[in-house]
Amino acid sequence: DAGVTQSPTHLIKTRGQQVTLRCSPKSGHDTVSWYQQALGQGPQFIFQYYEEEERQRGNFPDRFSGHQFPNYSSELNVNALLLGDSALYLCASRIWATQETQYFGPGTRLLVL
Amino acid sequence: AQSVTQPDIHITVSEGASLELRCNYSYGATPYLFWYVQSPGQGLQLLLKYFSGDTLVQGIKGFEAEFKRSQSSFNLRKPSVHWSDAAEYFCAVGAGTASKLTFGTGTRLQVTL
Repeated sequence: DAGVTQSPTHLIKTRGQQVTLRCSPKSGHDTVSWYQQALGQGPQFIFQYYEEEERQRGNFPDRFSGHQFPNYSSELNVNALLLGDSALYLCASRIWATQETQYFGPGTRLLVL
Repeated sequence: AQSVTQPDIHITVSEGASLELRCNYSYGATPYLFWYVQSPGQGLQLLLKYFSGDTLVQGIKGFEAEFKRSQSSFNLRKPSVHWSDAAEYFCAVGAGTASKLTFGTGTRLQVTL
């Protein structure tokens, strides 16, 4: 039973570019959340997707957008990259209708130069 | 707004010694509380969680935590630390398992042999 998987593992971009990160949830899970973890900080909630709709959003600008596909996988898109977007991006999945807690993936390390 | 404070940025203990990591939260209603561990280059692994009921909760790897409403605390403990416990530990609070998590800034645990 595969857990939460994310791709790519590492990514280097330059300022102003756009990036897409991908997440496949744990088998049986239908809800995906994205978190940003800057160096030396705790993860910060970006948004959550269920039934292909954004259900909750944290305090992040519109440059951060997402998508969920019918197979429950998800993408995180960041436009007009800033140096401050350099971070570990974590994906977490869970089952919407239960009290089960969410499981985190290993993350994608993004470096913006 | 919910928030989490982990007052200890870095803690060093000897292998075999006991451990207590502090966590204080701010939340208007009954919180859902979590402790996660993150090893270098890894995602987050859930150690334990508190939703309701017995205020002393047991987790994986021999960890336990005690919820104290009067002190707004949820401290993590382990009676005897192993070298493999060296990692970053995060306390988190949520309105429920379906909602976003708010994390503290983490406590880095170093274990000396």
